[in-house]
Amino acid sequence: AQSVTQLDSHVSVSEGTPVLLRCNYSSSYSPSLFWYVQHPNKGLQLLLKYTSAATLVKGINGFEAEFKKSETSFHLTKPSAHMSDAAEYFCVVSGGSGGGADGLTFGKGTHLIIQP
Amino acid sequence: GAGVSQSPSNKVTEKGKDVELRCDPISGHTALYWYRQRLGQGLEFLIYFQGNSAPDKSGLPSDRFSAERTGESVSTLTIQRTQQEDSAVYLCASSLLRAGEQYFGPGTRLTVT
Repeated sequence: AQSVTQLDSHVSVSEGTPVLLRCNYSSSYSPSLFWYVQHPNKGLQLLLKYTSAATLVKGINGFEAEFKKSETSFHLTKPSAHMSDAAEYFCVVSGGSGGGADGLTFGKGTHLIIQP
Repeated sequence: GAGVSQSPSNKVTEKGKDVELRCDPISGHTALYWYRQRLGQGLEFLIYFQGNSAPDKSGLPSDRFSAERTGESVSTLTIQRTQQEDSAVYLCASSLLRAGEQYFGPGTRLTVT
C-alpha cells in the first residue's frame, strides 16, 4: 500500500521569502512522485515529477523538489515566493492502494498563502 | 492543442436523481481516470480505463456509481439515486500511456440538494 502525508494544511509566507511545503510518503517499491498545483477555480497542473532519475527535480515557476529515500520525503521548495504562487499544492505518489494500478494517490493538500 | 474537457462544468441536482458526467480526453490518450474531490480534501481515485476497458474499478464508492468509455475516447461517469454526500468536484484525467503523466480537466462541480 502507498500513502502520502502532507505535513502542513496551511503555509503562510511573505512575498520574496523562501517556500517549503513538506511531504512524506510510504511505498512498498520505488515510487514515482509528483507535485501538482491547483489555483482557485482552475484545473490541476503538474509542477514537477520524480521518476527515479536525478533526485533533485526542477519544475515550472521556479519550484523544485528533492527526493530523499532515507527520509521518505519529497519536499517542495522555491527560493522566493511570488503573489501568484498562492494556491493549493498536492503531493502525489503513483500507483498502489487507493490509486489503482496506475492512478495517483493524493495527499490532502497544503494551502499556500502569500503575504504582501 | 486541446486539453481534457469535461461537461457540464456545474450540475445541481435533487437527491435521488441520476446524473451523467462527461469527459473528453486528449486525442490519442489511451488511459483515462476519474477522481472525486470533496471540499477541502485531496483527490480520491474512482476508476481507471485502459482503452475501453476498466481494469481497476476499486475506487468506486458504491454500486450507484458506474462508468463507461467508448471509442477509446469519451467517458461517462453515471451516479444513480444521488445522495448529498455525492456533492464534490469530479475530475477526469488522461495520459498517453499507462502510468504516464496525467493531464487533468477542469472538473464538474456536482451539488446534490
